Amino acid sequence: SQTIHQWPATLVQPVGSPLSLECTVEGTSNPNLYWYRQAAGRGLQLLFYSVGIGQISSEVPQNLSASRPQDRQFILSSKKLLLSDSGFYLCAWTRQGPSTDQPQHFGDGTRLSIL
Amino acid sequence: EDQVTQSPEALRLQEGESSSLNCSYTVSGLRGLFWYRQDPGKGPEFLFTLYSAGEEKEKERLKATLTKKESFLHITAPKPEDSATYLCAATSGGSYIPTFGRGTSLIVHP
Repeated sequence: SQTIHQWPATLVQPVGSPLSLECTVEGTSNPNLYWYRQAAGRGLQLLFYSVGIGQISSEVPQNLSASRPQDRQFILSSKKLLLSDSGFYLCAWTRQGPSTDQPQHFGDGTRLSIL
Repeated sequence: EDQVTQSPEALRLQEGESSSLNCSYTVSGLRGLFWYRQDPGKGPEFLFTLYSAGEEKEKERLKATLTKKESFLHITAPKPEDSATYLCAATSGGSYIPTFGRGTSLIVHP
């Protein structure tokens, strides 16, 4: 069976510090991978998605970047965090190919607080 | 632009009081309509996929239905453990990106 892991579960960082959140998927090959941010009462905002190693699409210009160094590894980074980067970050995957008829499977998220 | 709107934003029910959650969608060529359940502090958990108008799916006390403009998540005789936020999402064409609604927060009181 397939599993998705995100870490850390919670993170408190000062403004201006760097960020690295990691997501890995097990039990499948060449998945589509997604990073979302979820603000209270505002639904899911897609940040980045990737259909293969080294292939990253950005949906929203921002202070964040993403990388996919390995097939089943997706990393969300920032060089300098802003207060507005606080939120609940979710990683998700679907099977390879257009995901029009496939559900997304989510990790348990990282709660990021910027002080 | 694809849009998904969920209503109500919040719903409070007594245990055993059946109700429905609504998900209205405007997408060009619906390919899939998805329902998820999200518990506080957790990621969304997949519940159902619906593909065409008239389709229905059931799981325990939940039943999802689909028309050409909207989907309903019917909750029959809910229990407190059904309390969660329910999200719906729609995909269209060949996009890799689903459009999510903002969710309905359901609280079931014992």
